Amino acid sequence: EAEVAQSPRYKITEKSQAVAFWCDPISGHATLYWYRQILGQGPELLVQFQDESVVDDSQLPKDRFSAERLKGVDSTLKIQPAELGDSAMYLCASSFGEVNNEQFFGPGTRLTVL
Amino acid sequence: GNSVTQMEGPVTLSEEAFLTINCTYTATGYPSLFWYVQYPGEGLQLLLKATKADDKGSNKGFEATYRKETTSFHLEKGSVQVSDSAVYFCALSDQTGANNLFFGTGTRLTVIP
Repeated sequence: EAEVAQSPRYKITEKSQAVAFWCDPISGHATLYWYRQILGQGPELLVQFQDESVVDDSQLPKDRFSAERLKGVDSTLKIQPAELGDSAMYLCASSFGEVNNEQFFGPGTRLTVL
Repeated sequence: GNSVTQMEGPVTLSEEAFLTINCTYTATGYPSLFWYVQYPGEGLQLLLKATKADDKGSNKGFEATYRKETTSFHLEKGSVQVSDSAVYFCALSDQTGANNLFFGTGTRLTVIP
């Protein structure tokens, strides 16, 4: 069964360092999402791609976060510099299309900032 | 705006007990409604969904009915098992825009033998 892949699964870093997360969506899925899930809360959308284009990044803290999907397949989310409040689970999801299509989630990357 | 409010946990039940997790929503359009489940150490999995009023979603013995009059989508199961222990998230997708999901805060369910 096709799955969304994410790496690393766990990342520990010190504040002010740079971190990067990688996501490989299910083959053929044009839409890719990055969510942040703070402990005890539900996931919140950070950025949405349709192919290589950003559809929605209104909740992405652009002073320190960046995301790219250069070839419209896999994607990287970067944080520079990391802050203590960035400690969370970062989830990637993909769907076949943009409207009314089920989103499939990866296992997530748990980030701890010390 | 769009928001989801769900019953706070944690919920602890004995095996074979009846489960209800309440979920209510606020939406600007005509949303689709979802329940996702997150097992320990895993990503979110879609459990069930309903796309219009009075639809009933069902899967693995779980059910939820889209109630527009009460803006609710409560999750129920008649007889829970230990393997149902997980965190359950209610979510909506506003069909007037992109396929963004708005999640509730999650309810942790623990089923004891």
